[in-house]
Amino acid sequence: SQQGEEDPQALSIQEGENATMNCSYKTSINNLQWYRQNSGRGLVHLILIRSNEREKHSGRLRVTLDTSKKSSSLLITASRAADTASYFCATDTNRDDKIIFGKGTRLHILP
Amino acid sequence: DGGITQSPKYLFRKEGQNVTLSCEQNLNHDAMYWYRQDPGQGLRLIYYSQIVNDFQKGDIAEGYSVSREKKESFPLTVTSAQKNPTAFYLCASSATGVGVEQFFGPGTRLTVL
Repeated sequence: SQQGEEDPQALSIQEGENATMNCSYKTSINNLQWYRQNSGRGLVHLILIRSNEREKHSGRLRVTLDTSKKSSSLLITASRAADTASYFCATDTNRDDKIIFGKGTRLHILP
Repeated sequence: DGGITQSPKYLFRKEGQNVTLSCEQNLNHDAMYWYRQDPGQGLRLIYYSQIVNDFQKGDIAEGYSVSREKKESFPLTVTSAQKNPTAFYLCASSATGVGVEQFFGPGTRLTVL
């Protein structure tokens, strides 16, 4: 079952620029998380935002959540080559104790 | 060093054979998960376990089996009934409850020859 869907599917930007990725979901959620995956590796947790929160920051990461639009965005400021990876949003609901991942955005930082 | 490990990193299997993927964690987590990742498909949940000796089917459990005899271990068997098993398999663990971070292993890439 697909809950979150990231947009765009792929994004290429110059090093130093900001990168913005979006996640839309279908049903009401408790929490939304963002994960990063380097090629051929496991996922790494970046940040969690709860349904009663609107914005969170962690270092160069800024996440917003708009529950009325059922969407979230992840902003990476001052991008670096090491930010090249796939980024996934994941949501959980009241219905069960699983989290559902989207298909991800592939981010490529150009030197 | 706390973490979650998967072995092997690469696995080749002939059609018709069962194969078992290992997942071990020393994070003292009660919950463990198996996901399958195909190109462009994101992660799909195969099985998960919230406590020892108990597990539940995820969205794509057909052709797979698991056991949870120890808190630290959650092996996944890909059986010959799985029609298209070639994929990247990821194991994760977490504390129980919703809204908790999942910790992922490095993955096992299974190829059926």
